[in-house]
Amino acid sequence: AQRVTQPEKLLSVFKGAPVELKCNYSYSGSPELFWYVQYSRQRLQLLLRHISRESIKGFTADLNKGETSFHLKKPFAQEEDSAMYYCALSGPRGAQKLVFGQGTRLTINP
Amino acid sequence: GAGVSQSPSNKVTEKGKDVELRCDPISGHTALYWYRQSLGQGLEFLIYFQGNSAPDKSGLPSDRFSAERTGGSVSTLTIQRTQQEDSAVYLCASSLLTDTEAFFGQGTRLTVV
Repeated sequence: AQRVTQPEKLLSVFKGAPVELKCNYSYSGSPELFWYVQYSRQRLQLLLRHISRESIKGFTADLNKGETSFHLKKPFAQEEDSAMYYCALSGPRGAQKLVFGQGTRLTINP
Repeated sequence: GAGVSQSPSNKVTEKGKDVELRCDPISGHTALYWYRQSLGQGLEFLIYFQGNSAPDKSGLPSDRFSAERTGGSVSTLTIQRTQQEDSAVYLCASSLLTDTEAFFGQGTRLTVV
């Protein structure tokens, strides 16, 4: 079964502190992994995807197939990072549905 | 348009009434998805279109829910005999056939009273 688990519903850190949002998945095969972000009063948007291996807004995520994890990390949190973050997976390249985790609400305290 | 457009933005309806939610995908995107975002439930997949056909309807919660897509473009999600538990934000997304990056609309907030 395809499943994405984000164990933390809420995460609060201070500005300048490191951030790690956890994501574990279960999928038989080679999925594509994504992080989506929803800022207050804005639409859901793609933050990054594992195949691009890029850093967006200082965030990175490494796919660990052994641990079936795709944790999102940022070394120094900024107040504008406060948002709802969703981890998601889809099947191999091609138009298929995204399976989302429950989401983690990240709050950066000044 | 530049992005995925959904209408209406907000809809309040009485229990038992039918509602139609509309999605205009990004031009040229052949894949279209409907999701539901309920309080505390995260994002729940409803249905996916490839062109005008729906290979995956597995997420539709009951036979009161249906969706269609015409001309490979606009899609309509219809909820018949609405119930209070149907209250949620309904999100539409589209993507190119060979690229799974999905672009989301702003959603329709449905409230059933």
